[in-house]
Amino acid sequence: GAGVSQSPRYKVAKRGQDVALRCDPISGHVSLFWYQQALGQGPEFLTYFQNEAQLDKSGLPSDRFFAERPEGSVSTLKIQRTQQEDSAVYLCASSPGTVPRQETQYFGPGTRLLVL
Amino acid sequence: GENVGLHLPTLSVQEGDNSIINCAYSNSASDYFIWYKQESGKGPQFIIDIRSNMDKRQGQRVTVLLNKTVKHLSLQIAATQPGDSAVYFCAENNNAGNMLTFGGGTRLMVKP
Repeated sequence: GAGVSQSPRYKVAKRGQDVALRCDPISGHVSLFWYQQALGQGPEFLTYFQNEAQLDKSGLPSDRFFAERPEGSVSTLKIQRTQQEDSAVYLCASSPGTVPRQETQYFGPGTRLLVL
Repeated sequence: GENVGLHLPTLSVQEGDNSIINCAYSNSASDYFIWYKQESGKGPQFIIDIRSNMDKRQGQRVTVLLNKTVKHLSLQIAATQPGDSAVYFCAENNNAGNMLTFGGGTRLMVKP
């Protein structure tokens, strides 16, 4: 079946530009996560949604980062006034239930963001 | 993502040999662990998981061992194939939240 999809796959932005990254989770999955992966490192947690509710945004690095999931399905991660240190791969993951700490998270292919 | 593994520890094995990838985790409260495989340009792919009430779990060609006493996790791959070449991450859920915390990753290279 269809997995997690993300778009765009690659994004080049000029410093100061706003970007929006989209995630389509596996159909029916309640929980959705965003992670940031720097070059040569493991993914790091950004934020977590259960349906449309953003239950944890403790990993967002600054107030320039904003995520939403208004209808409990598709999610968008927005980065305002991008900086060079925002360059990374942004990964979206979903899991089926409301207790994701005991469930597998399935990852999308990621969006590679390069800020010049 | 792309170019994952540029500065990661590397394990090089001969095709057909067994591979063992190790991971130390930090939080003794963690109760769920997952191994992921990540190929260049792709997202992490689930391999196998284990809960803290177990010390061993087997899948197809893979085995995960959990030693809670020393907070150590390992992934064993039997009869390693060229398609197994990738970066492998262990991830833990520390029960304080719902997110996964990832280890630093190991790059596996399989020589034909």
